[in-house]
Amino acid sequence: EAGVTQFPSHSVIEKGQTVTLRCDPISGHDNLYWYRRVMGKEIKFLLHFVKESKQDESGMPNNRFLAERTGGTYSTLKVQPAELEDSGVYFCASSQGGSGANVLTFGAGSRLTVL
Amino acid sequence: DQQVKQNSPSLSVQEGRISILNCDYTNSMFDYFLWYKKYPAEGPTFLISISSIKDKNEDGRFTVFLNKSAKHLSLHIVPSQPGDSAVYFCAASPGTYKYIFGTGTRLKVLA
Repeated sequence: EAGVTQFPSHSVIEKGQTVTLRCDPISGHDNLYWYRRVMGKEIKFLLHFVKESKQDESGMPNNRFLAERTGGTYSTLKVQPAELEDSGVYFCASSQGGSGANVLTFGAGSRLTVL
Repeated sequence: DQQVKQNSPSLSVQEGRISILNCDYTNSMFDYFLWYKKYPAEGPTFLISISSIKDKNEDGRFTVFLNKSAKHLSLHIVPSQPGDSAVYFCAASPGTYKYIFGTGTRLKVLA
């Protein structure tokens, strides 16, 4: 079974530019999450999709961040325009949902460096 | 305000000895807890979980203890192996699908 796939693995952009990160969750997982880790800090929740619907976007920093999940499959996270403080590693995770423990499976992350 | 705290940024342990990683939380609504392990340039991988209705869960060399009154959980690794060297994160959920993570503890197991 393929895991959670994220692309690109690393992106270096200048302040003011736009970047789009992509996440392909595990097939059949209805729940998709975006998290971000800034150097040495906690892995911070950004938002949660159930299928194509945003269930909780309370962690999105501001309106420069836009997440979509077309057709309930892959998701994109766009940062426009990027600022220096947006640098960090963006993790995507997915989970099956339903009864029982909700264990998140993470991708390897997309490292974003804004210069 | 950090709801999940891992106050030890790093820990070194000799191979074969016990590693104890600690995690404190402030929100009494948290009822499910996970531990993740993270190697460099990889995503966090799930290690072990515990529900608030239990005070202990064991899986091989890994045991998680939960003290609800103290709002404290710990991960014990016995015996520690060099391959256990990684960053360990605890995460808590208030019964929703959203997990709050700590800042991580870097464990180094010395051969």
